[in-house]
Amino acid sequence: ELKVEQNPLFLSMQEGKNYTIYCNYSTTSDRLYWYRQDPGKSLESLFVLLSNGAVKQEGRLMASLDTKARLSTLHITAAVHDLSATYFCAVYLETNAGKSTFGDGTTLTVKP
Amino acid sequence: DVKVTQSSRYLVKRTGEKVFLECVQDMDHENMFWYRQDPGLGLRLIYFSYDVKMKEKGDIPEGYSVSREKKERFSLILESASTNQTSMYLCASSVTVIRANVLTFGAGSRLTVL
Repeated sequence: ELKVEQNPLFLSMQEGKNYTIYCNYSTTSDRLYWYRQDPGKSLESLFVLLSNGAVKQEGRLMASLDTKARLSTLHITAAVHDLSATYFCAVYLETNAGKSTFGDGTTLTVKP
Repeated sequence: DVKVTQSSRYLVKRTGEKVFLECVQDMDHENMFWYRQDPGLGLRLIYFSYDVKMKEKGDIPEGYSVSREKKERFSLILESASTNQTSMYLCASSVTVIRANVLTFGAGSRLTVL
């Protein structure tokens, strides 16, 4: 059974600081997704990582994938309040009937 | 933009009632999914469908059924609602593009069962 673990689950940080969210998964996969959920809203896609070594960046967020280590990271650079949200990683497996399995989410709060 | 529309944002039902949650997508996506989201438990897949009249059980199908009579519509049915089905229900759709199956989510339906 595929397990996806995120850490930390809760993160409070000051504006301007850097931090990394980690997503570990238990079964080999070469497709990993990051989603963002604002309070009271639904999920929106942030990044799609489709190969080992893939790196995607948008604004202050950068995601990477290491399929050998079964690890993805979401790095936040110089955080701003607008980044406060819950971030989910999801792993897709063809052998899992094409389902995506989600981590529990990391709730990020950026304080002034 | 793909839109996934869930018919009800908030519902309050009584134990034992039959509940229908409707989901419609407007971009001809083959794949549709129902998740529930609970604090501390993340998103859990209830049922999904890859085509009209097809359905597959997800990780927590007990107490639920689904219907997909048309490609754009995927309904989640609670035959006899129970209090432990109080949750946020999220519908999503996807299509496979260059090996990616990015999910597009609806706004969610928050169900309270009394």
